[in-house]
Amino acid sequence: SQTIHQWPATLVQPVGSPLSLECTVEGTSNPNLYWYRQAAGRGLQLLFYSVGIGQISSEVPQNLSASRPQDRQFILSSKKLLLSDSGFYLCAWAAGTRGTDTQYFGPGTRLTVL
Amino acid sequence: EDKVVQSPLSLVVHEGDTVTLNCSYEVTNFRSLLWYKQEKKAPTFLFMLTSSGIEKKSGRLSSILDKKELFSILNITATQTGDSAIYLCAVEYSSASKIIFGSGTRLSIRP
Repeated sequence: SQTIHQWPATLVQPVGSPLSLECTVEGTSNPNLYWYRQAAGRGLQLLFYSVGIGQISSEVPQNLSASRPQDRQFILSSKKLLLSDSGFYLCAWAAGTRGTDTQYFGPGTRLTVL
Repeated sequence: EDKVVQSPLSLVVHEGDTVTLNCSYEVTNFRSLLWYKQEKKAPTFLFMLTSSGIEKKSGRLSSILDKKELFSILNITATQTGDSAIYLCAVEYSSASKIIFGSGTRLSIRP
């Protein structure tokens, strides 16, 4: 069966520090991978998605970047965190890219920037 | 074990029918329950529920939460083909604000 992991679960970082959030998927090959940010009590904002190694699409301009160094690894990064980067970050995977393909979400990382 | 279970997993109805989607949960320190509609690249937010018995409505969609029985339902009346999508239920819980998603209900509306 497929599982998706996110690390760390919670992170507190000072403004201006770098960031690296990791997402890994097990039990599937060549998944489509997504990074979301969830605003408190509201919807999901898609940040990045990837259809393959080294292929990253950015949905919104921001202080963050994403990389996919391996088939089942998706990393969200920043060189210098801003206060506005605080939030809940979710990684998801899907077998395909159509809207009809179910996305499976990881447990998320809560990031607080102070 | 914290979990969110949605049912049915898949549902096919005719245009004009009314459907009820179910979401049950078992979590520690419940905070809120959210419904999403996924038809494109990213799920779109529908409702957030925090209090029992208070129905939230948006057009033909409505939802209610029962915190005693630990479930929520999403109703869609007079369904249209545009309602075809995967409907996701998610629960925010614990003092650390964790979130867990259900597996979704795939709804198909036939003209």
